[in-house]
Amino acid sequence: DAMVIQNPRYQVTQFGKPVTLSCSQTLNHNVMYWYQQKSSQAPKLLFHYYDKDFNNEADTPDNFQSRRPNTSFCFLDIRSPGLGDAAMYLCATSARAGRDGAEQYFGPGTRLTVT
Amino acid sequence: AQTVTQSQPEMSVQEAETVTLSCTYDTSESDYYLFWYKQPPSRQMILVIRQEAYKQQNATENRFSVNFQKAAKSFSLKISDSQLGDAAMYFCAYRAYNNNDMRFGAGTRLTVKP
Repeated sequence: DAMVIQNPRYQVTQFGKPVTLSCSQTLNHNVMYWYQQKSSQAPKLLFHYYDKDFNNEADTPDNFQSRRPNTSFCFLDIRSPGLGDAAMYLCATSARAGRDGAEQYFGPGTRLTVT
Repeated sequence: AQTVTQSQPEMSVQEAETVTLSCTYDTSESDYYLFWYKQPPSRQMILVIRQEAYKQQNATENRFSVNFQKAAKSFSLKISDSQLGDAAMYFCAYRAYNNNDMRFGAGTRLTVKP
């Protein structure tokens, strides 16, 4: 089945120690998104890629970076995690804007704990 | 900027009964999509139903239906014959036709009582 895969599902890192979360998709979608979701809150968009074009949200901290080496993979790098970065990180994909399809398909998420 | 508002942080419904979740949005666009997503506890976010703004007919998916009022910018979700498995956070979301961004409401936590 076509899907969005996130690894690892649970990640524990130390305060200030860089961490990378990964996302892969078999849907061949143009657009990949990274969201941060804290308990019982709406997902907060960090950034997205449309193909190779990177689109950063204005309020995303510089501490968060992303890479998309190819269509299938996208990475979220947190350069110096703080306690406030502990959250669920969701990856999602979608077709490009337009009538091709608009919904986003979500991965299961990676729960990040910062100690 | 587009905003999505869900005014009900929590709702509850008796099993087999019907419940309606509210959503309003603000946009200056004429062409867009609206969605309801379901996120069960500790589980994946999944799409429940989708509505294209250019369609006048309300979308329906089995027990789930929407009441889309474009002029009022309202998009409510009706769940009929509620089941225990419907218990989840429900998020209303908006996406403009020509924009890759999606905007989510704050969510409504639905509890289903047996």
